[in-house]
Amino acid sequence: TQLLEQSPQFLSIQEGENLTVYCNSSSVFSSLQWYRQEPGEGPVLLVTVVTGGEVKKLKRLTFQFGDARKDSSLHITAAQPGDTGLYLCAGNTGGFKTIFGAGTRLFVKA
Amino acid sequence: DAGVIQSPRHEVTEMGQEVTLRCKPISGHNSLFWYRQTMMRGLELLIYFNNNVPIDDSGMPEDRFSAKMPNASFSTLKIQPSEPRDSAVYFCASSLTGGYGYTFGSGTRLTVV
Repeated sequence: TQLLEQSPQFLSIQEGENLTVYCNSSSVFSSLQWYRQEPGEGPVLLVTVVTGGEVKKLKRLTFQFGDARKDSSLHITAAQPGDTGLYLCAGNTGGFKTIFGAGTRLFVKA
Repeated sequence: DAGVIQSPRHEVTEMGQEVTLRCKPISGHNSLFWYRQTMMRGLELLIYFNNNVPIDDSGMPEDRFSAKMPNASFSTLKIQPSEPRDSAVYFCASSLTGGYGYTFGSGTRLTVV
């Protein structure tokens, strides 16, 4: 069974702090996505990474795909209250089927 | 584009009743996915379609669940009869790129009492 483990499960920080969340698996993925979900809404796609070692930046968010394509990290610089939400990683091993991790719930206090 | 549209947003029903959830994917997307989200189990893939054809329904929990996609712009997920343990948020998502990212709807929050 393919599993994506995310850590930490919950993170509460002050505005302006930096943070990193992790997504790990024993499976190799052809692509990996990060989503953010806010209460009462569906997940929103932030980024897709496909190449081992790939780094993508989205304003204050930096995403990295592990060299072996089994893990990924999301780093947020100078977090803001608007970053609050559930961050989900999702992996695809080819084809259409994607599995999701349980998520990291981030709360940024003003 | 209005995005993926799901209806209803909320559904409260009594145990044993039939429930039908509806989804309109983004025009031009060729894949459609139904997920269920609970606190205990997170996001679980129930079934997905490619070009309106069901590809994998191994995530459908029981025969009480069924899904159809009669055309490229409409899909339904039906639960008959419903049970309290079916209470969850059900999401529909569509994609043009298969496993490279989905667009999710806002979900249907189902409560079975």
